[in-house]
Amino acid sequence: DAGVIQSPRHEVTEMGQEVTLRCKPISGHNSLFWYRQTMMRGLELLIYFNNNVPIDDSGMPEDRFSAKMPNASFSTLKIQPSEPRDSAVYFCASSFWLSSYEQYFGPGTRLTVT
Amino acid sequence: KQEVTQIPAALSVPEGENLVLNCSFTDSAIYNLQWFRQDPGKGLTSLLLIQSSQREQTSGRLNASLDKSSGRSTLYIAASQPGDSATYLCAVTPQGAQKLVFGQGTRLTINP
Repeated sequence: DAGVIQSPRHEVTEMGQEVTLRCKPISGHNSLFWYRQTMMRGLELLIYFNNNVPIDDSGMPEDRFSAKMPNASFSTLKIQPSEPRDSAVYFCASSFWLSSYEQYFGPGTRLTVT
Repeated sequence: KQEVTQIPAALSVPEGENLVLNCSFTDSAIYNLQWFRQDPGKGLTSLLLIQSSQREQTSGRLNASLDKSSGRSTLYIAASQPGDSATYLCAVTPQGAQKLVFGQGTRLTINP
């Protein structure tokens, strides 16, 4: 398996623009997680899905952030409009729910908002 | 609210030494604990997963222990090598939730 795939790997955008991050989980996994990593706050969960259904979005910072999972093999995290404080590394992870709960992480998307 | 703490924040040791990284968590109600490695600018690589019913896990030169009642875990690295230099992150899965709660990590440097 190719592991969790994220795109793009790097994104530089101007304040106010829309940003869309993409994730393909490991085939067969039924849970998908979006995390954000910053120097100040470390790694924090934004949202996770079980069987394509959002379960906990309490970590989504505000209404500018939205996430979707239209099918088992694809998810997006959208920021509209983007702000400089959104600059961070965004990780996607997947796992097989009701198993060991071991999570496998993608390489991350480094977002810079100027 | 579950909180995870890793001490020290940074550690530098000569090559060949054995070392221990520490992780503590505030709530013992967990499903499991994972140790990850993160190289600069890279993603997270899972090193070891310990289920709540287990006491330790081993993989090569790495050994992780879990004392759930005291809220502590250690990662033991034997015969350290320069290639072990990275940030090591500890994370727990709280019972009743699937999300991982991470510590801030220990930045490890192995000097040749």
